[in-house]
Amino acid sequence: GAVVSQHPSRVICKSGTSVKIECRSLDFQATTMFWYRQFPKQSLMLMATSNEGSKATYEQGVEKDKFLINHASLTLSTLTVTSAHPEDSSFYICSARVWGATEAFFGQGTRLTVV
Amino acid sequence: GNSVTQMEGPVTLSEEAFLTINCTYTATGYPSLFWYVQYPGEGLQLLLKATKADDKGSNKGFEATYRKETTSFHLEKGSVQVSDSAVYFCALILDSGGYQKVTFGTGTKLQVIP
Repeated sequence: GAVVSQHPSRVICKSGTSVKIECRSLDFQATTMFWYRQFPKQSLMLMATSNEGSKATYEQGVEKDKFLINHASLTLSTLTVTSAHPEDSSFYICSARVWGATEAFFGQGTRLTVV
Repeated sequence: GNSVTQMEGPVTLSEEAFLTINCTYTATGYPSLFWYVQYPGEGLQLLLKATKADDKGSNKGFEATYRKETTSFHLEKGSVQVSDSAVYFCALILDSGGYQKVTFGTGTKLQVIP
């Protein structure tokens, strides 16, 4: 099946710094990528949807200036958490979709801890 | 809006027991239905899917049937193993004007004890 690689798998950063998470589709071109956040004991929450070459569409309540998403190519999307704070600590997962496919393929996730 | 409701966990079973994890959904339109599995420390993996009513998805001994009349997609396995311990997410995907959204349930943690 299609492979989505997400990096890094774990990151610890100091409060006030920025962290970049990469999501790559390794063997297919992803026309659309999705970014999710998972809170403990809660479901995945969609943060934003990005289509290659255009601005991301953010879900209500997600700060676009804080969570910067770039989808510069058909195989790479990045999520940058700017000026991170402890409440941003969470598990972030990306997924990618091939045009016309019904399922979404997920990255391994990134555990972000802000201290 | 769309929503997915699945049974709360954790579910604790002995090895070789029968597993059912209930999942019901509401959706405007005709969604595709999925079960994803998340092993500890890993991302989500597709377990099985069904794209239309009465379809049965199956993989690794797990099965789920798309029941439109009851808007359900319950996950079953006849004999669980310790290696099945994970969190299971029911999800629906709906295309709307070329824009696709995935709606997840809250996840059900399964613990299988030897």
